[in-house]
Amino acid sequence: GNSVTQMEGPVTLSEEAFLTINCTYTATGYPSLFWYVQYPGEGLQLLLKATKADDKGSNKGFEATYRKETTSFHLEKGSVQVSDSAVYFCGGYDPNAGKSTFGDGTTLTVKP
Amino acid sequence: KAGVTQTPRYLIKTRGQQVTLSCSPISGHRSVSWYQQTPGQGLQFLFEYFSETQRNKGNFPGRFSGRQFSNSRSEMNVSTLELGDSALYLCASSLGGGRTYEQYFGPGTRLTVT
Repeated sequence: GNSVTQMEGPVTLSEEAFLTINCTYTATGYPSLFWYVQYPGEGLQLLLKATKADDKGSNKGFEATYRKETTSFHLEKGSVQVSDSAVYFCGGYDPNAGKSTFGDGTTLTVKP
Repeated sequence: KAGVTQTPRYLIKTRGQQVTLSCSPISGHRSVSWYQQTPGQGLQFLFEYFSETQRNKGNFPGRFSGRQFSNSRSEMNVSTLELGDSALYLCASSLGGGRTYEQYFGPGTRLTVT
């Protein structure tokens, strides 16, 4: 079946540090890939997406590139801020299966 | 455009009772999916409704059911509640077509079973 594996947390960084959260996927089809962010007490918000190999999704300084050869979609940001503290979920939608699958989430804490 | 709304936001029920949660999708969205979020199990897919029909279903017991109305609003019902059903239940809406399948999540309903 389809699965998404993302880096376990929690991750604690100082402000302006570089962020990488790893995500790999396994799918029978050719999924679209997403990163969502969840702030305390809220639902998930779409952060960025990529629908085919070599696509780069970007938003608010975050980037992720769809690497088909390594089946990865790692999230990166060059300089994190305290306001980036949240839980980040990697997800994939497999059109063949008609389902979305999410990783377990990675909690990021950024300290001033 | 208004976002996805879920009611109620918080709910406390007793084991053995049943509960109904409601979700109103973004206007124009025809697909509604439900997820259960718990600290130990992460985000688990319950089911998806599209144009009043259940299109996909996750691996949950039959106590969990849902429906969708002609205006795309959806309800989820859990019967014979168990302590393990305590979770945040998230609803997500989508246009429902195409391969990108962007989902927009509501704030969730926090269910506590005592």
